[in-house]
Amino acid sequence: DGGITQSPKYLFRKEGQNVTLSCEQNLNHDAMYWYRQDPGQGLRLIYYSQIVNDFQKGDIAEGYSVSREKKESFPLTVTSAQKNPTAFYLCASSAGHPTQETQYFGPGTRLLVL
Amino acid sequence: GDSVTQMEGPVTLSEEAFLTINCTYTATGYPSLFWYVQYPGEGLQLLLKATKADDKGSNKGFEATYRKETTSFHLEKGSVQVSDSAVYFCALSDTGANSKLTFGKGITLSVRP
Repeated sequence: DGGITQSPKYLFRKEGQNVTLSCEQNLNHDAMYWYRQDPGQGLRLIYYSQIVNDFQKGDIAEGYSVSREKKESFPLTVTSAQKNPTAFYLCASSAGHPTQETQYFGPGTRLLVL
Repeated sequence: GDSVTQMEGPVTLSEEAFLTINCTYTATGYPSLFWYVQYPGEGLQLLLKATKADDKGSNKGFEATYRKETTSFHLEKGSVQVSDSAVYFCALSDTGANSKLTFGKGITLSVRP
């Protein structure tokens, strides 16, 4: 089955700790995205990558970092600089072509601060 | 910049009622328009899309028509079911913006038996 997997489903972070959220896709998509979802605010783009070894900041990149060493993987690290990390994090991918721009989403990771 | 505005929620309907969820947009180019649905505790699923003016997207009894003259993409369903209870997001992808999606804030729909 083709799709996007995210792990873990729930993640707990202590003060001053960095945590990494996993996102893997087997859709052979070039583009991948990370969004943050807060109640009543819709989805906001954190980072996106259109090709391996390249990524760009989205609207709320401060306190986050990413890497794109493999086409199928786009991990997100929430650093200690992110002062309000509690949210639902969604990963997505798309073929990356202008005529195939539909994004497909993973099931999400809920991050909670202890 | 690009933006999407959805009607305020939440919306509560009885089963078999008619549904309309309003969505309007602002974009500099010629965007594609999407409706995504999110069931409790899950990620988003594409419900339908339209890529050019006057196109109608449809899926699972839901429909939306791309209206360039009113910059709108309202979602409709003739008879809702309890299983339609979810959060609905309107979104646009501007062809000049590397396929990035701009989302509305979402609206929660609850359908009573």
